[in-house]
Amino acid sequence: DTAVSQTPKYLVTQMGNDKSIKCEQNLGHDTMYWYKQDSKKFLKIMFSYNNKELIINETVPNRFSPKSPDKAHLNLHINSLELGDSAVYFCASSQDPRSSYNEQFFGPGTRLTVL
Amino acid sequence: DQQVKQNSPSLSVQEGRISILNCDYTNSMFDYFLWYKKYPAEGPTFLISISSIKDKNEDGRFTVFLNKSAKHLSLHIVPSQPGDSAVYFCAASRNTGKLIFGQGTTLQVKP
Repeated sequence: DTAVSQTPKYLVTQMGNDKSIKCEQNLGHDTMYWYKQDSKKFLKIMFSYNNKELIINETVPNRFSPKSPDKAHLNLHINSLELGDSAVYFCASSQDPRSSYNEQFFGPGTRLTVL
Repeated sequence: DQQVKQNSPSLSVQEGRISILNCDYTNSMFDYFLWYKKYPAEGPTFLISISSIKDKNEDGRFTVFLNKSAKHLSLHIVPSQPGDSAVYFCAASRNTGKLIFGQGTTLQVKP
């Protein structure tokens, strides 16, 4: 039973293309997140949705657009891909983020390579 | 502006000995701290956490210590096992759902 799953695991594409990464959680959590781990291994939050509502939106280019069709799914669409978008993208989920006990559960990651 | 820092990129210890991983933070508003473990090609896995109202939390071989005055936390693993070899991230939050991660420390436990 995979708690947080992401597809695809690897994604290789050309500059300028548009691509999507999908995430699903079966933990019954209300909140989902997207993180980016860059080449220096820093894990930084990009977005968070709570019950399909955007609650965290870090300074991410407009080319990145998250979409949450329901609280179990959070997809990330990236337009006009650039070389600097190459990274590992992690999806995560948790219960109420306003709770102090905000343990987030991560998916396996999607390694995006832009050529 | 890195609010959570792990100044040791790597640590090597002998099996059976203690591993001590350190983490410093700058924001005194953080009220919850977590440690995650990450194996290659996998997502981070939650390990242990501590609220800012406590100074110690223990779970089996893992103990997290929090020194609020020094804005420092540490993770102790006793005894260390080869399967503990991984990257360890500390993270902090302040009731907003936003986790701020350190840059990670790679632990190698030698048999």
